[in-house]
Amino acid sequence: GQNIDQPTEMTATEGAIVQINCTYQTSGFNGLFWYQQHAGEAPTFLSYNVLDGLEEKGRFSSFLSRSKGYSYLLLKELQMKDSASYLCAVDQTGANNLFFGTGTRLTVIP
Amino acid sequence: GAVVSQHPSRVICKSGTSVKIECRSLDFQATTMFWYRQFPKQSLMLMATSNEGSKATYEQGVEKDKFLINHASLTLSTLTVTSAHPEDSSFYICSARDQLRPGYTFGSGTRLTVV
Repeated sequence: GQNIDQPTEMTATEGAIVQINCTYQTSGFNGLFWYQQHAGEAPTFLSYNVLDGLEEKGRFSSFLSRSKGYSYLLLKELQMKDSASYLCAVDQTGANNLFFGTGTRLTVIP
Repeated sequence: GAVVSQHPSRVICKSGTSVKIECRSLDFQATTMFWYRQFPKQSLMLMATSNEGSKATYEQGVEKDKFLINHASLTLSTLTVTSAHPEDSSFYICSARDQLRPGYTFGSGTRLTVV
């Protein structure tokens, strides 16, 4: 089986930094993805981690610790347009699809 | 690259009718596509895995006779919601994986409203 946990909601201030955590328990692991989803739209790919460590891509960074079953998405210099849901998803070995967490709804306030 | 096109984006249908949703990979071939359903303020739930040239694999609790999936080519999968009821109203999203790139690409989604 699999279990992926994220906080349900977070609020942060424009210009600030926010960290969204994700913990997972899966019977196999083939990588972890972060997606951004605006209301009423499909998810868009943000990052992919398969090895331990930090992956940086502009204002967004993602970290993975496989031994701890833990990842986080770091958003810097927050903008109002970053208000969205952020989905943590695990690519489980042999499953050939993604298992999604419940998503974290981030609200950026002025 | 890795674009997935999904149509229609919105559909309203009467209870008891059927609705077909198309999912196309535009610049890559996808032997496997995935169909998700998302209810308001909830995450994506995998409904079924569509396999080119063979039967789809359905997740537990998803009625295969109600949600018909056809994957007749390497670039097209269709989901038909048969005898739709108001409780089938949801956001349906397909995805596919380009083997040359990390990640799964999602279609733009279909908002189905059954009245």
